[in-house]
Amino acid sequence: KAGVTQTPRYLIKTRGQQVTLSCSPISGHRSVSWYQQTPGQGLQFLFEYFSETQRNKGNFPGRFSGRQFSNSRSEMNVSTLELGDSALYLCASSLNAANTEAFFGQGTRLTVV
Amino acid sequence: GENVEQHPSTLSVQEGDSAVIKCTYSDSASNYFPWYKQELGKRPQLIIDIRSNVGEKKDQRIAVTLNKTAKHFSLHITETQPEDSAVYFCAASLSGGGADGLTFGKGTHLIIQP
Repeated sequence: KAGVTQTPRYLIKTRGQQVTLSCSPISGHRSVSWYQQTPGQGLQFLFEYFSETQRNKGNFPGRFSGRQFSNSRSEMNVSTLELGDSALYLCASSLNAANTEAFFGQGTRLTVV
Repeated sequence: GENVEQHPSTLSVQEGDSAVIKCTYSDSASNYFPWYKQELGKRPQLIIDIRSNVGEKKDQRIAVTLNKTAKHFSLHITETQPEDSAVYFCAASLSGGGADGLTFGKGTHLIIQP
């Protein structure tokens, strides 16, 4: 079956702009989590969605937001981009949250200039 | 919140030898401890995980041990092969599974010398 798909794979944006990233989970998976990966901070949890509801949130400013649709696809949005937002953004899906394996997508590489 | 420390940051071993990576966590309520392998330019992939009601788990050449009292867990790879070269991340969460709310260690770059 198809894996977790993230689009686009690469993005270049200018400071102050906003960006929307998309994640299509594995068919049947209802939990989608988002992570930011940078060389300095490593992998950091952004938020998790299950059945269109945000159930958990990491320590990121309000400029980072997300949503999940009825088909479990998820989007994350970053407004007023800063240079420090340059990172690899990864999403992971699982059947639910507990007692199931999570699968990561290839990520979206965002560069803010 | 949870804090996960991972050591060493770089580990070089001879092919065929064993490799051990150690992690400590701070929140005694954490109940799920996965290990991910990430090759250069690729996605993290789950290689093994352990839950707090288990002390050890093994899958072929890979094993993980958990000491809840000391709040540390370790990854053991035996008979290392060139394809084991990658960055390995440990993580901890309260969710019992999945990828919800994982706190990751900073990673260990494992280098297998031929």
